[in-house]
Amino acid sequence: NAGVTQTPKFRVLKTGQSMTLLCAQDMNHEYMYWYRQDPGMGLRLIHYSVGEGTTAKGEVPDGYNVSRLKKQNFLLGLESAAPSQTSVYFCASSPIGLAGAGNEQFFGPGTRLTVL
Amino acid sequence: GEDVEQSLFLSVREGDSSVINCTYTDSSSTYLYWYKQEPGAGLQLLTYIFSNMDMKQDQRLTVLLNKKDKHLSLRIADTQTGDSAIYFCAEIPNAGGTSYGKLTFGQGTILTVHP
Repeated sequence: NAGVTQTPKFRVLKTGQSMTLLCAQDMNHEYMYWYRQDPGMGLRLIHYSVGEGTTAKGEVPDGYNVSRLKKQNFLLGLESAAPSQTSVYFCASSPIGLAGAGNEQFFGPGTRLTVL
Repeated sequence: GEDVEQSLFLSVREGDSSVINCTYTDSSSTYLYWYKQEPGAGLQLLTYIFSNMDMKQDQRLTVLLNKKDKHLSLRIADTQTGDSAIYFCAEIPNAGGTSYGKLTFGQGTILTVHP
C-alpha cells in the first residue's frame, strides 16, 4: 500500500511555462484535494474532487486547473506559471464518511515548485 | 467566513510539556483536528475531537476544547526532540455530508524542542 504519491518531487519552471502535477492514491478513496502551502499561511485548498469525473473550486483556484478522469488519480495543471505560484503543493485523499476519523485526510509527500 | 488562528512559534526543552493553542470562528464546526508535519513530509493526523467533548486524551497528547471561547489546545507531555515539527489545527466547517471533508487549516505552529 503506497498511500498517496505525488510526482514530481521538485520542479523549477520559468514564467509562462506549463506543467502538470500528478497525484495517485491506492486506497480507493472518493475524495481528493489539492492544497498549496506557503510560509505563515498554512494550507489553502486549490481544488477538490468528490468522485471520478467531478471537480470543484476551493479557496484559491485561480491559475490552476484539475482533472479526475480515473478515481485513483487527480491531476493539477498550471497553464502559464507565475512566480506567485512558487509553493509546496500537497495532494490528499479521504474516504466518504461522517466527519471525524472517517474523514481523515491522507497526505502525499508534496511537490516543491519554483517559478522563476 | 471560516478562520483558524495559531501562534507561529513555540520553543520548549526536552522533557517539558508543550501547549499549542488555536482559535476558530465557525461555531458550527463539529470536529476539530490536529495534524503534524515533519520536515520535508506531508501532514499526518495526530488526533481529533468532537465538539460535544471538552477533553480527549491519547497517550502523551491531551486536547482541550472550549467551545464557548472557540479555543482548542494540544498539550504534549514529556516533549521529545522527535516531536519537533509543524502542528496544524483544522476544522471542517458546517460538518456533514455537504462539506465533502474540506478542511480549513490554521497557519501552523513550529515546535522546536531543545535537548
